[in-house]
Amino acid sequence: AQSVTQLDSHVSVSEGTPVLLRCNYSSSYSPSLFWYVQHPNKGLQLLLKYTSAATLVKGINGFEAEFKKSETSFHLTKPSAHMSDAAEYFCVVTSNTGKLIFGQGTTLQVKP
Amino acid sequence: KAGVTQTPRYLIKTRGQQVTLSCSPISGHRSVSWYQQTPGQGLQFLFEYFSETQRNKGNFPGRFSGRQFSNSRSEMNVSTLELGDSALYLCASSLQGQLTMSYNEQFFGPGTRLTVL
Repeated sequence: AQSVTQLDSHVSVSEGTPVLLRCNYSSSYSPSLFWYVQHPNKGLQLLLKYTSAATLVKGINGFEAEFKKSETSFHLTKPSAHMSDAAEYFCVVTSNTGKLIFGQGTTLQVKP
Repeated sequence: KAGVTQTPRYLIKTRGQQVTLSCSPISGHRSVSWYQQTPGQGLQFLFEYFSETQRNKGNFPGRFSGRQFSNSRSEMNVSTLELGDSALYLCASSLQGQLTMSYNEQFFGPGTRLTVL
C-alpha cells in the first residue's frame, strides 16, 4: 500500500531564509508524487509534480523538490521564504488505483 | 476559464439531518473527485465520478453518496449527519480523471465547510 509521511507538522522560518519541508513516501511501485499548498479558506493548489522524469522538479513560486528513491524522500525546498508562503503544505502520492493519498500536512509559518 | 466552484461555502446542520453539496468543475473537465478534510484525519478521498459514473471510492460509510450529471456537475449527499461529519469538503476536477496512465492535475475548489451541531 502507498503512504506518505510528512515529518514536521509545523515549520517556522524567518523571511528571506531557506525553507525545507520533509516528506517520506512508501510505495510498492514507481510512484507519482506531488506537493500541494493550501492557503487559509482556499482550495489546494498544485506546486509541483514528479512523474518519473527528472528527479529534481521545479514548481511555481520558486519551490522545488528532489525525488530520492534510495531515501524514499521527496522534500520541498525554497531558497528564500516570503511572507506569502505562509500556508499549509501537503505531500501527496498516488495509489495504484489513481487515488491521491495525502500526508498530514505541514504548516509553514514565516516570521518577518 | 472559471475555476472549480462549490456551493454553498458554509453550512450548519444538526445531527440526523441530511445535506447536499454541489460542485461545478472547470469547463471541459469530465472527472470530479470529492475529499473530506478534518483536523484529525487530514485529507481523505471520498469518491470520483467520471462521465456520470462512480469510478473510484474511498473508505467511507454508505451515508456518503454522490452523483454526476451530464454537464459534469456533481453533487455529494450525506444522510443521517453525525457530529464527526463536520469538515471541509473539497471538490476537484480534472480532464480525464484518476485512472489514466499519466497524471491529470486536479484543480480544487475552495470547499464547503459543514458544521454539524
